[in-house]
Amino acid sequence: SQTIHQWPATLVQPVGSPLSLECTVEGTSNPNLYWYRQAAGRGLQLLFYSVGIGQISSEVPQNLSASRPQDRQFILSSKKLLLSDSGFYLCAYLKEGQGSPYEQYFGPGTRLTVT
Amino acid sequence: GQSLEQPSEVTAVEGAIVQINCTYQTSGFYGLSWYQQHDGGAPTFLSYNALDGLEETGRFSSFLSRSDSYGYLLLQELQMKDSASYFCAGGAGGFKTIFGAGTRLFVKA
Repeated sequence: SQTIHQWPATLVQPVGSPLSLECTVEGTSNPNLYWYRQAAGRGLQLLFYSVGIGQISSEVPQNLSASRPQDRQFILSSKKLLLSDSGFYLCAYLKEGQGSPYEQYFGPGTRLTVT
Repeated sequence: GQSLEQPSEVTAVEGAIVQINCTYQTSGFYGLSWYQQHDGGAPTFLSYNALDGLEETGRFSSFLSRSDSYGYLLLQELQMKDSASYFCAGGAGGFKTIFGAGTRLFVKA
């Protein structure tokens, strides 16, 4: 079966500090992977998605970046956090065999507070 | 622009039926998906409509009308555990997805 992991679960970081969030998927090969951010009480904002190793599409031209160094690993980074980066960060993968992104499975998320 | 519009809140009583509407304007439309999210948790996939009509999965049903750019999620025999946020989502070209802002459902005893 396919599972998705994210860590850490919670994180408190000062403004201007770096960030690294990791997401890994098990039980599937070459999954499409997504990073979303959710502000409190709001919807999901797509940040990045990846269809393969080293292939990253950016939807948000801010101080965040993403990398996919391995097939089942997706990393979200920042060199200097802003207060506005606070939120719930969710990683998701596409169900195997799908030709369109209609059924996504989410990791448990990382709740980031920038102080 | 690309957007999906949903009501912000809906309240219903236990045992009742509730409908959550979603109107959309997206490019690269592949269909409409629905997700449930409990407080503090991650979204979970509920249903997907690629074609017009009604899809039923247990107590939940989802409907799509492409000509009207409209869909809805129908929850029957409401239970307290159904209190959550519900999101509609649609395609935005390729493998991109756009989510609505979500509808908070409150189920009262």
